[in-house]
Amino acid sequence: GAVVSQHPSRVICKSGTSVKIECRSLDFQATTMFWYRQFPKQSLMLMATSNEGSKATYEQGVEKDKFLINHASLTLSTLTVTSAHPEDSSFYICSARLGGAKTTSTDTQYFGPGTRLTVL
Amino acid sequence: AQSVTQLGSHVSVSEGALVLLRCNYSSSVPPYLFWYVQYPNQGLQLLLKYTSAATLVKGINGFEAEFKKSETSFHLTKPSAHMSDAAEYFCAVSDPWGSNYKLTFGKGTLLTVNP
Repeated sequence: GAVVSQHPSRVICKSGTSVKIECRSLDFQATTMFWYRQFPKQSLMLMATSNEGSKATYEQGVEKDKFLINHASLTLSTLTVTSAHPEDSSFYICSARLGGAKTTSTDTQYFGPGTRLTVL
Repeated sequence: AQSVTQLGSHVSVSEGALVLLRCNYSSSVPPYLFWYVQYPNQGLQLLLKYTSAATLVKGINGFEAEFKKSETSFHLTKPSAHMSDAAEYFCAVSDPWGSNYKLTFGKGTLLTVNP
């Protein structure tokens, strides 16, 4: 149980185009999903918290107009990198929170397999 | 604010040897603590978590970790390393009393296993 998928796993695009990445919780409902960015040989950097039915909460320094997040249902969140540039090339990972309204001992984030974005 | 420090960005052991990956945390409240493993070009897989129950937590693949409040540590161990254990390991902390459910990650420790 607690499987999270991401699509696509790898995408190459030209500079200036927009890219959409999907994150799905396959066997549970997730009111909260998270989007991370990971540079080579580095830790995960939280970009934003995605809440179903409301606006995402972005971390300091993350451009919300560049990284559009939509959490339209309890099993799907999307990240759209708008007008992508080579510096946006990175490994993007989502996670989905399995838990209730209040944090409990079962509260755990389950991660997707990641999406490798390369902007030419 | 919470933080995690993983001592040693790279740990190398021989196959069959003890694995010890260190994690120290800083938190103003009793935390929840997690260890995740990441294989190349993949997402993170949960190894184990501490949520204020037993201080010795057993996880998957033979790993375990012990929560030591006095030392603010949550070190990950495995008695005998296997070649398949070679991966990046991340320690993470969350605030169980907060409302944002965020995880704060350490910088990771790359484990290599030599034959």
